[in-house]
Amino acid sequence: KAGVTQTPRYLIKTRGQQVTLSCSPISGHRSVSWYQQTPGQGLQFLFEYFSETQRNKGNFPGRFSGRQFSNSRSEMNVSTLELGDSALYLCASSLMTGGADEQFFGPGTRLTVL
Amino acid sequence: AQSVTQPDIHITVSEGASLELRCNYSYGATPYLFWYVQSPGQGLQLLLKYFSGDTLVQGIKGFEAEFKRSQSSFNLRKPSVHWSDAAEYFCAVVNPSGSARQLTFGSGTQLTVLP
Repeated sequence: KAGVTQTPRYLIKTRGQQVTLSCSPISGHRSVSWYQQTPGQGLQFLFEYFSETQRNKGNFPGRFSGRQFSNSRSEMNVSTLELGDSALYLCASSLMTGGADEQFFGPGTRLTVL
Repeated sequence: AQSVTQPDIHITVSEGASLELRCNYSYGATPYLFWYVQSPGQGLQLLLKYFSGDTLVQGIKGFEAEFKRSQSSFNLRKPSVHWSDAAEYFCAVVNPSGSARQLTFGSGTQLTVLP
């Protein structure tokens, strides 16, 4: 079974631009979560989607948004990029939603903002 | 708010030596507990998890963890470390009530293995 895939793997943008990252969950998984990983703040939860609905959102500004499609694939968008948005963005999928389900992580998208 | 503390930023052990990585959590009730490992350039891989029951949990790659309610701890152990275990290790918790799937992570412990 294929794992979680994220595209692109690497991305370089300049301040003020916007970016869209994509995540394809494991087949059959309906929940997708996004996390930001930086050296300073560590791993922080961005949001979770289940059946095309945002179920939970972390403490990030409105510049960060996401969506989920009917095939469970998810995208996240960051508008008006800032230098501090440089990070590894990780996507995780799980079969259902609920704390007991294991989340499977993708390899991440490394975003660099210049 | 729940929080996770990994007091050791960096640990160095020799290959073949035993390992213990510490994790303490702060939460009103017993959360679901996880240990993940991240190799350079990779995503996170689940090593083991604790929801309830037996407080000693076995995971993949020879790792185990022990949940101690009285100490709010969930320490990760391995009796004999291999060079391939060099990576960053993260302890994480999930609120057991409700449908939230949000993982709250500790700051991580970087493991270096000496030959």
